[in-house]
Amino acid sequence: DTAVSQTPKYLVTQMGNDKSIKCEQNLGHDTMYWYKQDSKKFLKIMFSYNNKELIINETVPNRFSPKSPDKAHLNLHINSLELGDSAVYFCASSQLPAGGNAGDNEQFFGPGTRLTVL
Amino acid sequence: RKEVEQDPGPFNVPEGATVAFNCTYSNSASQSFFWYRQDCRKEPKLLMSVYSSGNEDGRFTAQLNRASQYISLLIRDSKLSDSATYLCVVVTGTSYGKLTFGQGTILTVHP
Repeated sequence: DTAVSQTPKYLVTQMGNDKSIKCEQNLGHDTMYWYKQDSKKFLKIMFSYNNKELIINETVPNRFSPKSPDKAHLNLHINSLELGDSAVYFCASSQLPAGGNAGDNEQFFGPGTRLTVL
Repeated sequence: RKEVEQDPGPFNVPEGATVAFNCTYSNSASQSFFWYRQDCRKEPKLLMSVYSSGNEDGRFTAQLNRASQYISLLIRDSKLSDSATYLCVVVTGTSYGKLTFGQGTILTVHP
């Protein structure tokens, strides 16, 4: 059984289009995340949701809008795609939010969505 | 200065070698530390947590030096399957912290 799944795995699209990436976790976790990994391999947090509530919103253009319909799903919608949006987007989940007394709170990552904007 | 810095390598070592990676972090308030491993075109996976007293998991040893703000990972008796990118991860924040990843250190173990 896949713990954290993302669809699609690959996404190739034209500049200016709007696209969505879906993420689902079957681990029963309360917290979900979106990360972006650019061509230089830096992995950066974009958003985090805890029990469907947005708790981390890094400096991300407002063309990116996350949506969490329930604890098991966190989708990412991107409007007006730009060339610089090309990257691998990873969804992740953890039992608790990072920080505080979370200690060894492990994050489980999905397989990633490779987005290419032409 | 980057929040988490690693030597990107690449490190090319023969099987059986011992190799060590270092990582420095800038925020002295950081509370939790990890090493994640990422295989080529795959997702990151937790390798091990890093504790103040140092900890070992088989061939892997992690150390934390809070005074100098650095973390290390030592791999003994390298295997071909250890070839991957090793990501240093630091958690900062109280109620809702976030993971900050280093750029990663590329390791290639050759026969």
